[in-house]
Amino acid sequence: GAVVSQHPSRVICKSGTSVKIECRSLDFQATTMFWYRQFPKQSLMLMATSNEGSKATYEQGVEKDKFLINHASLTLSTLTVTSAHPEDSSFYICSAEGQLGQYFGPGTRLTVL
Amino acid sequence: SQKIEQNSEALNIQEGKTATLTCNYTNYSPAYLQWYRQDPGRGPVFLLLIRENEKEKRKERLKVTFDTTLKQSLFHITASQPADSATYLCASNTGNQFYFGTGTSLTVIP
Repeated sequence: GAVVSQHPSRVICKSGTSVKIECRSLDFQATTMFWYRQFPKQSLMLMATSNEGSKATYEQGVEKDKFLINHASLTLSTLTVTSAHPEDSSFYICSAEGQLGQYFGPGTRLTVL
Repeated sequence: SQKIEQNSEALNIQEGKTATLTCNYTNYSPAYLQWYRQDPGRGPVFLLLIRENEKEKRKERLKVTFDTTLKQSLFHITASQPADSATYLCASNTGNQFYFGTGTSLTVIP
């Protein structure tokens, strides 16, 4: 139980385009989902907390207009990286809050050329 | 400020030995601590959770301790195997904030 999926697992895009990443809780409902970014050899950095039916809460230094988060249902949250640039290239991971803590998706590798 | 730290970036041990990883926290009192395993290019996988009123938790070859006096959690892997090689992260939350340690990369040498 408590499986979280992410789609796509990998995406390569040109600078200036927008990329949408989906995070789904497959066998449980999650009112709260989290989005993280991880650079090579570094730990996960929380970007934002996504609450179903309300606006996301962004961490300091994360631009809410650049990283759009939508949590439209209890099983789906999306992160859209708008006008992506090479410095946005990273590993993006979502998690959903379950009974024993957070369950993580497999991650999405974004490469912006 | 509230911090959670894993002091060792990397740990190498011989197969069959016990690996011990350390997680320290400062300036807050977590209600629980969690340990995760992360393989390269993958999301973290939850391993164990230990609450502040629990001294020790076990799961197969894994053991976690929680010492609120030392503000520390230890994560042990007994009879380690090369397949245990991965990065291990500790994490905890306080209120709505969830903190991760920077991780310890464990390599088990055959």
